[in-house]
Amino acid sequence: TQLLEQSPQFLSIQEGENLTVYCNSSSVFSSLQWYRQEPGEGPVLLVTVVTGGEVKKLKRLTFQFGDARKDSSLHITAAQPGDTGLYLCAGFFNKFYFGSGTKLNVKP
Amino acid sequence: GAVVSQHPSRVICKSGTSVKIECRSLDFQATTMFWYRQFPKQSLMLMATSNEGSKATYEQGVEKDKFLINHASLTLSTLTVTSAHPEDSSFYICSARDLFAGLLPYEQYFGPGTRLTVT
Repeated sequence: TQLLEQSPQFLSIQEGENLTVYCNSSSVFSSLQWYRQEPGEGPVLLVTVVTGGEVKKLKRLTFQFGDARKDSSLHITAAQPGDTGLYLCAGFFNKFYFGSGTKLNVKP
Repeated sequence: GAVVSQHPSRVICKSGTSVKIECRSLDFQATTMFWYRQFPKQSLMLMATSNEGSKATYEQGVEKDKFLINHASLTLSTLTVTSAHPEDSSFYICSARDLFAGLLPYEQYFGPGTRLTVT
């Protein structure tokens, strides 16, 4: 069983649409990270959230850490084909736990 | 930012042979390195945590004798897949962190990964 569940698993949208990816757990984490991974490459860190309720913005990406530090969301505004990739959340509690992943495809 | 390299990027080996994968931290000293395995279209699965100068800590279900991990220096960790079988074919990724450089304990830097194919 996965400690961190991501939803949806797959998402195919048109360029310009908005989307939200969720990362949920029943466990509390001291921090949570979001990564994007291209095929055949290692994950690239997008953001780290530490404080419950924290919101961080990275251009068109908005990340939120739940108040109880058990869940997080990633919202992308006006998605572009360059946003295509595998999005992974990872929680840290003594070691790293990765979510199940969300495969995003943005069609031009 | 901190850079982690892996070598080789791709390797094909025959069933029954052993293959070694290197993970290097290029511009920092990595007191801790992590080894992950990733199957196609799936997430990363932590295999083991290696601390410099000590034995690696393996996750449940990971065979210690099959996946040998050595972290002999502060910049190098190796993963050796022994007596490889086709089911060992996967994407292996390492990550590293350095607590002594002021990095937060949850920060890790990933290598580019190694694609292992066992024929």
